[in-house]
Amino acid sequence: DAGITQSPRHKVTETGTPVTLRCHQTENHRYMYWYRQDPGHGLRLIHYSYGVKDTDKGEVSDGYSVSRSKTEDFLLTLESATSSQTSVYFCAISGIGNSPLHFGNGTRLTVT
Amino acid sequence: KQEVTQIPAALSVPEGENLVLNCSFTDSAIYNLQWFRQDPGKGLTSLLLIQSSQREQTSGRLNASLDKSSGRSTLYIAASQPGDSATYLCAGLNNNAGNMLTFGGGTRLMVKP
Repeated sequence: DAGITQSPRHKVTETGTPVTLRCHQTENHRYMYWYRQDPGHGLRLIHYSYGVKDTDKGEVSDGYSVSRSKTEDFLLTLESATSSQTSVYFCAISGIGNSPLHFGNGTRLTVT
Repeated sequence: KQEVTQIPAALSVPEGENLVLNCSFTDSAIYNLQWFRQDPGKGLTSLLLIQSSQREQTSGRLNASLDKSSGRSTLYIAASQPGDSATYLCAGLNNNAGNMLTFGGGTRLMVKP
């Protein structure tokens, strides 16, 4: 498996609280991504990063922010969690050019 | 906007059968197409990546093809085994979409012993 660690693996939080999910890679890959996976919607891109401090929005970025201060870490923050953000969140990484995407094992987030 | 469709959503076959999973996409300006496998409760595992200049890629019992003109990719699994049971997803990367992959909804495969 590619060296990708997501933390926490599971989290339950209340509506309105801030939540930060962490993705850590040991592959020194340039690109990092946050996806959410929901029944009926499949995998959707939230934000991605193409370098330290370089990020861009994906398809479903509202309500989420990201930061990448080091090559190996990509943080996803829900400023004020809502029930619609209950989902499984996946981090992914890829190198430059035609490199395959490699995924972490996911974080299951429940917002009550 | 690229749309990726996988039909059927679920498939059940007996062990040993050769099978084909289908993936169709609407925008032929595709840079590459990737096939993944996802086991329950796990992340996605990359199986094969086909660049736009290629027609197919092979890895063991798996063979993936890409036909840009018809907007189709197929994943062929030879001599299926119960361990092949999983959800298979395809995803396309477009030239004009930054670095955003568009995923299909997946095909859930069950291989019965």
